[in-house]
Amino acid sequence: DVKVTQSSRYLVKRTGEKVFLECVQDMDHENMFWYRQDPGLGLRLIYFSYDVKMKEKGDIPEGYSVSREKKERFSLILESASTNQTSMYLCASSPETGALNQPQHFGDGTRLSIL
Amino acid sequence: GNSVTQMEGPVTLSEEAFLTINCTYTATGYPSLFWYVQYPGEGLQLLLKATKADDKGSNKGFEATYRKETTSFHLEKGSVQVSDSAVYFCALSEGGGADGLTFGKGTHLIIQP
Repeated sequence: DVKVTQSSRYLVKRTGEKVFLECVQDMDHENMFWYRQDPGLGLRLIYFSYDVKMKEKGDIPEGYSVSREKKERFSLILESASTNQTSMYLCASSPETGALNQPQHFGDGTRLSIL
Repeated sequence: GNSVTQMEGPVTLSEEAFLTINCTYTATGYPSLFWYVQYPGEGLQLLLKATKADDKGSNKGFEATYRKETTSFHLEKGSVQVSDSAVYFCALSEGGGADGLTFGKGTHLIIQP
């Protein structure tokens, strides 16, 4: 089974801090994604990456950046955390088949609180 | 752009009742469609998928049929159990795997014994 591991289940940080959320997948997937989940809004795509050192903005990239130095690891960075970034963050990965869409595999999420 | 609309909950049913969760979509091309489930305290798990019109996805007693003419992908189950209580998300993808999913807002399902 595909395993997507997020480094923390719960995280509490302060306004203005630089925050790193880490995600590792063990199935050699090319594609990796970061979403945030908020009540009444569902999941929204922040950034995704289809190869090492490649990144693409999703629907809500403002206030975030990402890093993909190795294929298995995709980091989400909050450069200067703000209270409106309090949310559940979900990482996902999928293989690049070049053909029909393959499902994404999700980690268990990181619940981030910014005080 | 793409969008997914699903019925908002919470939806409360008794055990062994019939379940339908409606999902309709808007897409520019020919998307693949997915249902994901999120149990309390966990991430999302793929429940089922369909990649072309008239395909039926099925898993764990759940079914959904890709209806291009009505742009719908409704989730059904004939007899729900308490263990089916979760949040269900309908989603679509057009990008061949490299693009992100577009999700509906999720439907919270509560099954009472």
